Amino acid sequence: AQTVTQSQPEMSVQEAETVTLSCTYDTSESDYYLFWYKQPPSRQMILVIRQEAYKQQNATENRFSVNFQKAAKSFSLKISDSQLGDAAMYFCASQNAYSGAGSYQLTFGKGTKLSVIP
Amino acid sequence: GAGVSQSPSNKVTEKGKDVELRCDPISGHTALYWYRQSLGQGLEFLIYFQGNSAPDKSGLPSDRFSAERTGGSVSTLTIQRTQQEDSAVYLCASRLPGLAGTNEQFFGPGTRLTVL
Repeated sequence: AQTVTQSQPEMSVQEAETVTLSCTYDTSESDYYLFWYKQPPSRQMILVIRQEAYKQQNATENRFSVNFQKAAKSFSLKISDSQLGDAAMYFCASQNAYSGAGSYQLTFGKGTKLSVIP
Repeated sequence: GAGVSQSPSNKVTEKGKDVELRCDPISGHTALYWYRQSLGQGLEFLIYFQGNSAPDKSGLPSDRFSAERTGGSVSTLTIQRTQQEDSAVYLCASRLPGLAGTNEQFFGPGTRLTVL
């Protein structure tokens, strides 16, 4: 079974500044995927960034980047040049790369609420 | 094209009543998931459908919960004899078939269920 832990229930950042959201995970699998999702008040889950565990290079998507430390089972999200539209709940999630049942369901942390201060 | 849609957006019911929640996946997405998001919690996997294969029901919390998927498209999640602890947002997601992580799960806006 996989577990995902987000230890920061709430975070805040000044507009245009940088913020880092923390995530740790545990899995017995050798290959897996890690994700950060954004959930605004509309409830729609939006994929922010994805990391494949077998890739050493940290994923980046515009202002969003991750610090993937496989040995430490850590997967933090850095948001640069924060914007008001970044305010939302952020969820870290993991997914097996190989599933006997083929379900490939996501396992989520409890989330971090990010506020952006103008 | 259209995204994943869910109905109703909000549902208020009385304890003991049955409810049905509907999910319309993206056309062509043969894989469909139901998740539950309780207050202050992350999403919890409930059930998974893939084409005509037997569903993975390993996440259903009790036998009061069931789901079906007709014609490989629309899915209905049914909760019988609702309890107050069933109050949550129920999210549906769909994706193209294929290896994990290769194909993104697209989420609907969810149904907020309140059991009084």
